[in-house]
Amino acid sequence: AQSVTQLGSHVSVSEGALVLLRCNYSSSVPPYLFWYVQYPNQGLQLLLKYTSAATLVKGINGFEAEFKKSETSFHLTKPSAHMSDAAEYFCAVSDRAGGYQKVTFGTGTKLQVIP
Amino acid sequence: IAGITQAPTSQILAAGRRMTLRCTQDMRHNAMYWYRQDLGLGLRLIHYSNTAGTTGKGEVPDGYSVSRANTDDFPLTLASAVPSQTSVYFCASSDSTDTQYFGPGTRLTVL
Repeated sequence: AQSVTQLGSHVSVSEGALVLLRCNYSSSVPPYLFWYVQYPNQGLQLLLKYTSAATLVKGINGFEAEFKKSETSFHLTKPSAHMSDAAEYFCAVSDRAGGYQKVTFGTGTKLQVIP
Repeated sequence: IAGITQAPTSQILAAGRRMTLRCTQDMRHNAMYWYRQDLGLGLRLIHYSNTAGTTGKGEVPDGYSVSRANTDDFPLTLASAVPSQTSVYFCASSDSTDTQYFGPGTRLTVL
């Protein structure tokens, strides 16, 4: 069975500081990995995804994530936080089980950016 | 604008009442999903549909039913609502690259 663990339900950073949101996964097959962002009172939007090509994946809004198979990790980073980055971030793992795309989401990390 | 629409935006419902949450997409995606989002639990899959005419059960299907009469519509029905079904419900569809596209959500309160 696949699973996702996001370390830290809340993360606070100062504006301009490095953002690091942690995600570890388990999967019995080579996974697809995703980061989604959710702004208040909205649905989730894709930030970036890993689908077995380059291990360093660049997404929107300056975010990137690195797939590390040996560590089963897919941490999300951004060099310099902006106030508009305040949102909740979800890591997700996907494979095809039973003929459908099975996506397991982490419990989310709420990012606070302090001015 | 292409995407997913959900209705209603929010609803307060008496326990025992029947309720249908509507979901429509215009991206012609084959696969569609219903999730519920609860604080501290992330998103949990209720039901899914790989293509029009087929549906399947997800992680938390009890008390919910779905239908998929055509590609665009994927309604979720609560036959007899209970307070534990108070949640935010998201409909999603996915493309051939497994990216999921989410609707804006329906906030449901069952009293």
